[in-house]
Amino acid sequence: DAGVTQSPTHLIKTRGQHVTLRCSPISGHKSVSWYQQVLGQGPQFIFQYYEKEERGRGNFPDRFSARQFPNYSSELNVNALLLGDSALYLCASSLVRQRDEQFFGPGTRLTVL
Amino acid sequence: GDSVTQMEGPVTLSEEAFLTINCTYTATGYPSLFWYVQYPGEGLQLLLKATKADDKGSNKGFEATYRKETTSFHLEKGSVQVSDSAVYFCALSDRGSQGNLIFGKGTKLSVKP
Repeated sequence: DAGVTQSPTHLIKTRGQHVTLRCSPISGHKSVSWYQQVLGQGPQFIFQYYEKEERGRGNFPDRFSARQFPNYSSELNVNALLLGDSALYLCASSLVRQRDEQFFGPGTRLTVL
Repeated sequence: GDSVTQMEGPVTLSEEAFLTINCTYTATGYPSLFWYVQYPGEGLQLLLKATKADDKGSNKGFEATYRKETTSFHLEKGSVQVSDSAVYFCALSDRGSQGNLIFGKGTKLSVKP
C-alpha cells in the first residue's frame, strides 16, 4: 500500500514568490496535517484538515493557507515567501479521530533565496 | 502552553552500548506520548507510543514508559546498532491541541561500529 506522498520533493523559490505544496494521504485516511521543520528543529504544526474543513491552525501568519479536496488530498500555499520559510514541509495523514496515529510523508524541501 | 523538552545531542555511542534519551513534557490535559525517528533524507516514522500513565511503548528493541509523576517519557534501548543512527523526536498529542503533535527539538544519535 502506498504511504503518504508529497510533491514536489525539492523546490527553490525567491523572496516574494508564491509556492504550492501537495499531499496525498494514505488511502482511507480523511485527516491531513501540515508541519514545518526548520533545519535542526522539531516539526511545528501549521494546519489540520478533516473532511475538507480546517480543524486546527498553528501559530503561522496569514501568508500560509491550505485546503483539502473531496479525495482528501491537500495543498499548502505560502504567499510572499521569506528567507525564513526555508524548511522541510511535512504532511501527515490519519484515519479519522484526531488522536489517531499520524503517518508522515517524506516531505518537500523548500529553499527560499 | 504544552511543550516537550528532550536532551540535546548529538549523542555518539559505540555499537551494543546502552541508549537513553531523556524527554519531559508539560501539558494541561492527559496527553498521548510518542517517539518518532527520522533517518537521513526521510520523513518521520513512528517508533513507539503510550496513551496513558504507566503504559510502556516498545518497538524494535526500543522502550519508553509514560511516567505521569515525573512527566517523563525517556527512550531506552539495551544494545544499539549502527542502523539506529538517526534523529529521534519526542512528541505529545493532547486533546487541547486537537490531537496535533507538539515535538521536541530532536536528538541526533550516531552509532559507531
